[in-house]
Amino acid sequence: DIQMTQSPSTLSASVGDRVTITCRASQSISSWLAWYQQKPGRAPKVLIYKASSLESGVPSRFSGSGSGTEFTLSISSLQPDDSATYYCQQYNSYSRTFGQGTKVEIK
Amino acid sequence: EVQLLESGGGLVQPGGSLRLSCAASGFTFSGYAMSWVRQAPGKGLEWVSVLSGSGGSTYYADSVKGRFTISRDNSKNTLYLQMNSLRAEDTAVYYCAKVTQMTTITDYFDYWGQGTLVTVSS
Repeated sequence: DIQMTQSPSTLSASVGDRVTITCRASQSISSWLAWYQQKPGRAPKVLIYKASSLESGVPSRFSGSGSGTEFTLSISSLQPDDSATYYCQQYNSYSRTFGQGTKVEIK
Repeated sequence: EVQLLESGGGLVQPGGSLRLSCAASGFTFSGYAMSWVRQAPGKGLEWVSVLSGSGGSTYYADSVKGRFTISRDNSKNTLYLQMNSLRAEDTAVYYCAKVTQMTTITDYFDYWGQGTLVTVSS
């Protein structure tokens, strides 16, 4: 199975900061990567698909980049509503795997 | 509006069985692969299983293979997960999720249910 490794596990930043989360795949997944946001007690919500495509309705401050084995999710100007846990997920094969998550806290 | 509503969770003893259901509405259910994803308390997301729109192709995570069975009734717009030989480590919130594109089983998930909690404990 393809392993997905996210870093950092937790980050704390101020409103207005630019934030970047990294996701690494154990083998190439081309651009078959999605990013989800999950708030406590809620289901995950997709933000980015195919590594860099913004899901409809998602604020433009979210962006994704990368291909192969290295990917990033960026938030250009952190907002209070962005406090959540973020997961990457590969869908290169039917056996999808998620990263372990990155918890974003607002200072 | 797409809606996914899970039910069937609860408390079960180790070694027991449980069947989860996911009632779908707002889209052509039979045209889309569906999946189950779980999340243990305080932990990350773990993909469990996926089933094609026709029901002809199924895949499972190694952690549940041979114990869990995914199925669907397209006439009832409902997805199921039959869970047998349950273990304490199966304790989690179970989400059903819709695969984005028709005719593919390997796309990302665009809609998720609210989840149903399964607790395996004596």
